[in-house]
Amino acid sequence: GENVEQHPSTLSVQEGDSAVIKCTYSDSASNYFPWYKQELGKGPQLIIDIRSNVGEKKDQRIAVTLNKTAKHFSLHITETQPEDSAVYFCAASTDSWGKLQFGAGTQVVVTP
Amino acid sequence: DAGVTQSPTHLIKTRGQQVTLRCSPKSGHDTVSWYQQALGQGPQFIFQYYEEEERQRGNFPDRFSGHQFPNYSSELNVNALLLGDSALYLCASSTTGLDEKLFFGSGTQLSVL
Repeated sequence: GENVEQHPSTLSVQEGDSAVIKCTYSDSASNYFPWYKQELGKGPQLIIDIRSNVGEKKDQRIAVTLNKTAKHFSLHITETQPEDSAVYFCAASTDSWGKLQFGAGTQVVVTP
Repeated sequence: DAGVTQSPTHLIKTRGQQVTLRCSPKSGHDTVSWYQQALGQGPQFIFQYYEEEERQRGNFPDRFSGHQFPNYSSELNVNALLLGDSALYLCASSTTGLDEKLFFGSGTQLSVL
């Protein structure tokens, strides 16, 4: 089955700097790659997603890139703010209908 | 517009007991998926329900079962609880179609003592 690896496990950045989280997947049939943000005591919140027919997608300070050949995708957060502090999860799906394989998560800490 | 709602928010059980968790999907959604999230890990797919049928299942034993009702709400049942079943149980809903996005509830924190 699909396996998703996520790095780093923790990331500490100064407010205003950029943060990058990288994920690799194993199944070349994967075609949907969402990113979720999870704050303490809450469920994961979808922040951005990308499909395999697109190489890059941007939404304000957040961007995701996908390299299908290398089977990796990345989340980029620019101009980080303290409210960006949370655990971020990447995920991949080889089919539709909501079965996602998640990475282990990245704890992002933005210090003022 | 209410999002995905789950109840209860917290639950404490002892080994061997049975538990039922409940989920109401986001308005307009017809598909419900359940995930288990152990502390410090990513969510793991348990199963998914659509049209009151289990459509897909992850690598979980038969002790985990579910149900979907005609109003699309869903229940997750776990029998013969083990200490290792302690986790955050997340419900997610989506709608069938090409642009399927999964929206999660806040989860039920289950502690098995």
